[in-house]
Formats: sequence, structure tokens, C-alpha cells
Amino acid sequence: GAGVSQSPSNKVTEKGKDVELRCDPISGHTALYWYRQSLGQGLEFLIYFQGNSAPDKSGLPSDRFSAERTGGSVSTLTIQRTQQEDSAVYLCASSLAGRDHYEQYFGPGTRLTVT
Amino acid sequence: AQSVAQPEDQVNVAEGNPLTVKCTYSVSGNPYLFWYVQYPNRGLQFLLKYITGDNLVKGSYGFEAEFNKSQTSFHLKKPSALVSDSALYFCAVRPNTGGFKTIFGAGTRLFVKA
Repeated sequence: GAGVSQSPSNKVTEKGKDVELRCDPISGHTALYWYRQSLGQGLEFLIYFQGNSAPDKSGLPSDRFSAERTGGSVSTLTIQRTQQEDSAVYLCASSLAGRDHYEQYFGPGTRLTVT
Repeated sequence: AQSVAQPEDQVNVAEGNPLTVKCTYSVSGNPYLFWYVQYPNRGLQFLLKYITGDNLVKGSYGFEAEFNKSQTSFHLKKPSALVSDSALYFCAVRPNTGGFKTIFGAGTRLFVKA
């Protein structure tokens, strides 16, 4: 079946502009996660959504970052007034919610470059 | 604070030799533990997980990992390394506190030499 898809694959933007990154999870996966991977760094947790529960936003680095998930499926990560330090690969993942299915399936990522 | 440590930035091993990639964690309770692999120019892939039960878990591509509660470790192992195993490996921990937040280590680059 189809995996997690993300768009765009690459995004170059000027400092101060807003950007929107999109994630389409695997059909039927109720949990959706966003991570940031900076060059040479590990994955930094940003936010997750699970079903109808309130999202865990504890990893969002500033109020310039926000995310929403519409209809329990597609998610959009928005970065307002982008800064050069926002340059990174943004990864989306999805998973089932049952205890035996906690492994996450990752999309290919969106490489964001802020100039 | 909850954290995951992968103490080695890079591990070098000769093809055919056993390999170990280390992971320790600092999380309260009994967490869920995972290993993921990132091959060059490919996305992150799930390798294996420990949820409960047998401390030795087996995963994809001949990899296995051993959960050691007393040492709070979850080292990744393979009896005989292949050149194709060369990749970036991430250990991840999900605290068993009811949420879905997952903490990833910084990653260890495995280089297998022919």
C-alpha cells in the first residue's frame, strides 16, 4: 500500500516568509508525528496527533511553529516568519495506536532551506 | 529529563564480523524501545522494537537487540555484518506514560568495510 507522503520534497524560501509543509499519513493510521532533522543531528520531536485527543505540542521550538490535522488524516506544519535556523529536513511519520503497533512509518521528508 | 544516548558517532566494522551499536536511555518506568535505520538517500525505516516479554528481540535484516533493564540499555547487534548494513542507526524511546511522544538518539553511523 501507499506509504507516508510529504510535499514539497524541497522548499527554498526567503527569511521572513511563511511556509507550509504537508503530510499524508498511511490510511488508517491514527497517530501522526512531526520531527525536525538538522544536518548531522538526530530527530527532534515537534508535535504529535493521536485520534481526537489534543495534540502534544511540547516539542514546537517557538510560537512561529504550528500544525494542524484535518479530518484525522492530512496534516500541515506551518512555520511563520522563517529564520535561517529553521533550515532542516522536516519528517512526518504515522503509526497505529495499538500497543503492538507502535512503530512509526516515515515519509521522505521536506528539505527546507531558508536564505 | 528524559533522554536517549548513543555514545558512538560512528562504528567501524569489517564485513563478516559481529557488530554492536550502543544505546542507553534515561526514562522513568518501563518504556517502549525502538531501532530505526536510515540508508543513504532513503527514508527512515523501522528495524525492531521491544514492548514487553523476552529481552532479546529480533528484527529485519538479521538484526537483534537486547533490552537490559538494570543497565537501561538497548544495544543493537548483528552476528555478521554486511557492507549493505552501512547506514545511520537511531535508537528511540517512547515513555510508557500514556502519550505517543518518542525521543530519538542522535544517531550512530555504521560503516562496514569489505
